[in-house]
Amino acid sequence: EVQLVESGGGLVQPGRSLRLSCTASGSTFGDYTMSWFRQAPGKGLEWVGFIRGKAYGGTTEYAASVKGRFTFSRDDSKSIAYLQMNSLKTEDTAVYYCTRAAEEASADAFDIWGQGTMVTVSS
Amino acid sequence: SYVLTQPPSVSVAPGKTAKITCGGNNIGRKSVHWYQQKPGQAPVLVMYYDSDRPSGIPERFSGSNSGNTATLTISRVEAGDEADFYCQVWDSSSDHVLFGGGTKLTVL
Repeated sequence: EVQLVESGGGLVQPGRSLRLSCTASGSTFGDYTMSWFRQAPGKGLEWVGFIRGKAYGGTTEYAASVKGRFTFSRDDSKSIAYLQMNSLKTEDTAVYYCTRAAEEASADAFDIWGQGTMVTVSS
Repeated sequence: SYVLTQPPSVSVAPGKTAKITCGGNNIGRKSVHWYQQKPGQAPVLVMYYDSDRPSGIPERFSGSNSGNTATLTISRVEAGDEADFYCQVWDSSSDHVLFGGGTKLTVL
């Protein structure tokens, strides 16, 4: 059974950068779409974006709130997905979840979730 | 942009049936997925493609989707079902993922 573990969260000042990692165990990423979600304290779930598998072009999509500041990448040989966050804002403070799509080619449902990593943007 | 609307809260007595709705323009033409999130935990997929249950999800959970409303139904509600529930779709026109605002299910 695939498990996802996020790492790299922490406290960072506004305007600085942070890189989150998502490591899979129990299986490889394969060509599954990997997506990131976040949840601000006391708020609902928000989609951050996703990266498709290489067999499906490896394309990326981003939520408007992070486009131009966040970048996804993946190293399928190591089963690690990355979320590079630049120009961080206080409103980026949230728990960030790494997830895997339920079906390889799709970005529909996400059935594997990590435990989340907290990112706090504050001076 | 496409908007998903959920009631903020639903209350139900133990043993009764809870219905959590997710409204959207012609949502019946989209595939709807549902997540359950308990306090301090990551979300769990409890229903996908409208009415399919992932492995390990009790048969008490069922789903439907037609017209402008998708519904997650929980039969014989138990205290352990208390959680926040989110509906989610993939919007093919924008290639973006969208969530409803979430519904807090309270078991009385």
